[in-house]
Order: sequence, then structure tokens, then C-alpha cells
Amino acid sequence: AQSVTQLGSHVSVSEGALVLLRCNYSSSVPPYLFWYVQYPNQGLQLLLKYTSAATLVKGINGFEAEFKKSETSFHLTKPSAHMSDAAEYFCAVSGTSYDKVIFGPGTSLSVIP
Amino acid sequence: DTGVSQDPRHKITKRGQNVTFRCDPISEHNRLYWYRQTLGQGPEFLTYFQNEAQLEKSRLLSDRFSAERPKGSFSTLEIQRTEQGDSAMYLCASSFLLAGAAGELFFGEGSRLTVL
Repeated sequence: AQSVTQLGSHVSVSEGALVLLRCNYSSSVPPYLFWYVQYPNQGLQLLLKYTSAATLVKGINGFEAEFKKSETSFHLTKPSAHMSDAAEYFCAVSGTSYDKVIFGPGTSLSVIP
Repeated sequence: DTGVSQDPRHKITKRGQNVTFRCDPISEHNRLYWYRQTLGQGPEFLTYFQNEAQLEKSRLLSDRFSAERPKGSFSTLEIQRTEQGDSAMYLCASSFLLAGAAGELFFGEGSRLTVL
């Protein structure tokens, strides 16, 4: 069975600072990994996904994530935070392309001016 | 393409009543998911379909919950004898499954249930 943990339910960064949101997964097979974002009063949308093609994945809005098998991690980063990045971020895992997608508990990102 | 639509957007009901939510996925999508989300939590998996076949239902899900996707297009989620603990946002998502590819989930805006 697959599962996801996200360390830190709330993260605050200053505008222009590095954003680092942590995600660790558990999977019995090579996983597919995703980051979704939920802006206030909006639906979830995909930021980026890992499908084994490359360990460093680039997504929308300047975000990227690196798959590290040895650490079972898929942390999300952005070099410079913008006010518009304030949102809920969810890491998700799927065991295979045919499997269901399981979400982590989420991290709320606040950006301080 | 109007995206994933859910109806109703808000439902207030009294404990013990039955409620039904509808989800219309993106037309060419063959996968459909239902999730439940409470404040400050991630989406909790409820069930999913491949075309009209229900592939899995969460073991944590009470028998009061049932979902259908009769013609492989729209889906309904019914909750019988609602309880206050059922109050949540019910999310529907769809995707197009390709062999060996991780399909992106497209989410609707959700149906918010309040049980009084």
C-alpha cells in the first residue's frame, strides 16, 4: 500500500526566500509522485509529477521537485517565494499508473511581505 | 471543455436524511475518483472507477456510502442516513488513463455537505 507524509502542516517564508515543502512516501513498487496546489476557494490543480523519466521535475510557477529513492522523498522547492504562492500544497503517490492516487495531509504555505 | 463539474455545490441537510452528489467528468476521461476533504486535511480517498467499473472502495468507508457510474460517464455518490461526521467537502476528479503514464487528476470544485 502507498502512503504519504508531509512534515510541517504550516510553513511561513518571507517574500523572495526559498520555499521548501517536504514529502516522504511509502510504496512497495516504484511510485508515481505528484504535487498539487489548492489556492483559497479554488479546486486542486497539478503543479508537477514524477513518472520515472527524470529525477528532477520542473512544474508550473517556478516550482520543482527532486525524487530521491534512497530517502523516499519528493520535496518541493522554489528559489524565491511570491505572495501569490500562498496556498495549500499536497503531495500524492500512486503505486502504478493503474493504481489509485493517495494524498498526504498537506502543508499550508504563508508568504510574509 | 467545461472541466469537471459537481452538483450541488452546497448541501445542508438534517441528520438521518439521504443526500446524493453528482459528478460530470471531462468527457474523454475514463477514470473517475471521489475524495472527501475536511478543513486542514488532505483529500481522503473514497472510491474510484475505470469506465463503469468500480475498482476499489475505501475500507474506512461506511456501508452508508455508495457510488455509481452507470454508463461510464457521470457518477453519483449517495450517503444514506447522514451523520454530523459526514460534514465535509466531497471532491470528484477525473483522468485519462494511459498504460505506463501517470494521468493528471482534474478536480471539480467540490460539493460541500453540512449535516445539522
